[in-house]
Amino acid sequence: GEDVEQSLFLSVREGDSSVINCTYTDSSSTYLYWYKQEPGAGLQLLTYIFSNMDMKQDQRLTVLLNKKDKHLSLRIADTQTGDSAIYFCAEIPTSGYSTLTFGKGTMLLVSP
Amino acid sequence: DAGVTQSPTHLIKTRGQQVTLRCSPKSGHDTVSWYQQALGQGPQFIFQYYEEEERQRGNFPDRFSGHQFPNYSSELNVNALLLGDSALYLCASSTGTSNSPLHFGNGTRLTVT
Repeated sequence: GEDVEQSLFLSVREGDSSVINCTYTDSSSTYLYWYKQEPGAGLQLLTYIFSNMDMKQDQRLTVLLNKKDKHLSLRIADTQTGDSAIYFCAEIPTSGYSTLTFGKGTMLLVSP
Repeated sequence: DAGVTQSPTHLIKTRGQQVTLRCSPKSGHDTVSWYQQALGQGPQFIFQYYEEEERQRGNFPDRFSGHQFPNYSSELNVNALLLGDSALYLCASSTGTSNSPLHFGNGTRLTVT
């Protein structure tokens, strides 16, 4: 079956790095995504990585993919209070057509 | 360039009633997907519309139905509302190609009393 798991909560201090982890089960997933959700809002696409890549960097964001272990991580450098939100990892299973399977989300709390 | 827009933003209905939610996709997108997000959970896929047809469907009962119009906008209808249907309903748009990233609207918060 298809399942995405994430730790539920992460607390860091402003200026530190944050690392949010995710495991997925569909080894045939072609794309893996990170979305951010602020209170009362929809999901904002942060970044995504193709399954044939190991790493992708986009400004303060670094995505690492370990396909062998089906492990995905999102590192946020120099975390700011505005980064406080829920972060969702999502995969497109083999059924395709951009139908995402989401984890339950990791709540990131950044304290000053 | 307008992103995905949804209406209404909030809605309160009574058990047994019917509701219609609306979505306009991002400019240039032709595919609309609907997700249900219960409190404290990740979004769950309801169905996806492409070329005015339901292309894929998640594990939701037939009380959930939809429609896509020639201008690519979409509606989600829910009949015989249950208390458990209370959730944030998210619309996402993408292009018709597989693996195209989804762009989400801000959602409609439905409360069933």
